Amino acid sequence: AQKITQTQPGMFVQEKEAVTLDCTYDTSDPSYGLFWYKQPSSGEMIFLIYQGSYDQQNATEGRYSLNFQKARKSANLVISASQLGDSAMYFCAMRDDSSYGNNRLAFGKGNQVVVIP
Amino acid sequence: NAGVTQTPKFRVLKTGQSMTLLCAQDMNHEYMYWYRQDPGMGLRLIHYSVGEGTTAKGEVPDGYNVSRLKKQNFLLGLESAAPSQTSVYFCASLPRSYNSPLHFGNGTRLTVT
Repeated sequence: AQKITQTQPGMFVQEKEAVTLDCTYDTSDPSYGLFWYKQPSSGEMIFLIYQGSYDQQNATEGRYSLNFQKARKSANLVISASQLGDSAMYFCAMRDDSSYGNNRLAFGKGNQVVVIP
Repeated sequence: NAGVTQTPKFRVLKTGQSMTLLCAQDMNHEYMYWYRQDPGMGLRLIHYSVGEGTTAKGEVPDGYNVSRLKKQNFLLGLESAAPSQTSVYFCASLPRSYNSPLHFGNGTRLTVT
């Protein structure tokens, strides 16, 4: 069964607007970590933000925030004040103990974002 | 620190040729991984290692072999390259600590003709 689901088609967002990227996950483990990565057209994978399952507050890193809704098993990435450099593929990932013994991450298939001026 | 370094960055092979991709990390991470990325498929795990001298199969291991003789290095081998192995290959490493992200190399673009 798919552990990470990212189903949005490619998204166009106006510069300076906010954009939300959806991610739902599936785990039976009470302890897990959620990660978001950015992959620009140059190809490198850039770590953006982390949320732990026991964290009381939603994670924030600059213009990135994670809308963590544990009961719904969702971990949506919010990018505020979009910039042209935010155009990229974004991947959601999860690390848990249930399937992989805490030594692997499961990745979603990604969300493509294009920021238009 | 250099982090995770992959060599080469680009390579073109003919069907049937062999090659080895090298991954080196200088962060003393326990776990190392090889992924391939194809359009629309996301990242798929080929092989991984949970420590020096150990390796295990991922989702798509066929046609690849790996070795981890030293903790800092993880090699991916293609014994007889096929066009289906045309892809972008990423190496990554991960420490034991739970809240640490996967650290990626910059990728190797491989084309098999």
